[in-house]
Amino acid sequence: RKEVEQDPGPFNVPEGATVAFNCTYSNSASQSFFWYRQDCRKEPKLLMSVYSSGNEDGRFTAQLNRASQYISLLIRDSKLSDSATYLCVFRGSTLGRLYFGRGTQLTVWP
Amino acid sequence: DTEVTQTPKHLVMGMTNKKSLKCEQHMGHRAMYWYKQKAKKPPELMFVYSYEKLSINESVPSRFSPECPNSSLLNLHLHALQPEDSALYLCASTPFISTDTQYFGPGTRLTVL
Repeated sequence: RKEVEQDPGPFNVPEGATVAFNCTYSNSASQSFFWYRQDCRKEPKLLMSVYSSGNEDGRFTAQLNRASQYISLLIRDSKLSDSATYLCVFRGSTLGRLYFGRGTQLTVWP
Repeated sequence: DTEVTQTPKHLVMGMTNKKSLKCEQHMGHRAMYWYKQKAKKPPELMFVYSYEKLSINESVPSRFSPECPNSSLLNLHLHALQPEDSALYLCASTPFISTDTQYFGPGTRLTVL
């Protein structure tokens, strides 16, 4: 069983749409959770950390459900510039060791 | 200076060549990482250095040899690579190995002929 399961998509949505991604993890000892964004042929960049209480950053909302072992990312009012691959990431009990999902590809069309 | 730099941006090498990838950061970070990323796949961790000492080696073949000569610099020496080693090689750093948020460099796109 993979450490992280993530729907690869692709998700194709019009501008202004709301889109949600989920990601499940198998290691119940996971300590920290993140969403990274990776543009085509570029490096991953941190989008936001995910906290148990849920957190919001502008149009982006992240949630963590420890009981069901999943995290989610909601993007409201999608922009063309949101087109990218979104990677869910978590850290287990080993310092320095991050586990990456395979990424969900999002395309926002005009 | 809040970035991680990597050189070269692109590298093409033959299977008998020896080459090196370089990664540099001047943020005072004490942990540095090498990842390999194939197309449409997530980054795969290769090595982690903490305070210039190797902390994690993810069973990487010996044709990849990391080196951390000082706290700002991380090298990856390549020798006798295979075509399947062609990938994007990403370097990252964190203030400490216990810090979760990783800052990635732009990567070196390697092609092995």
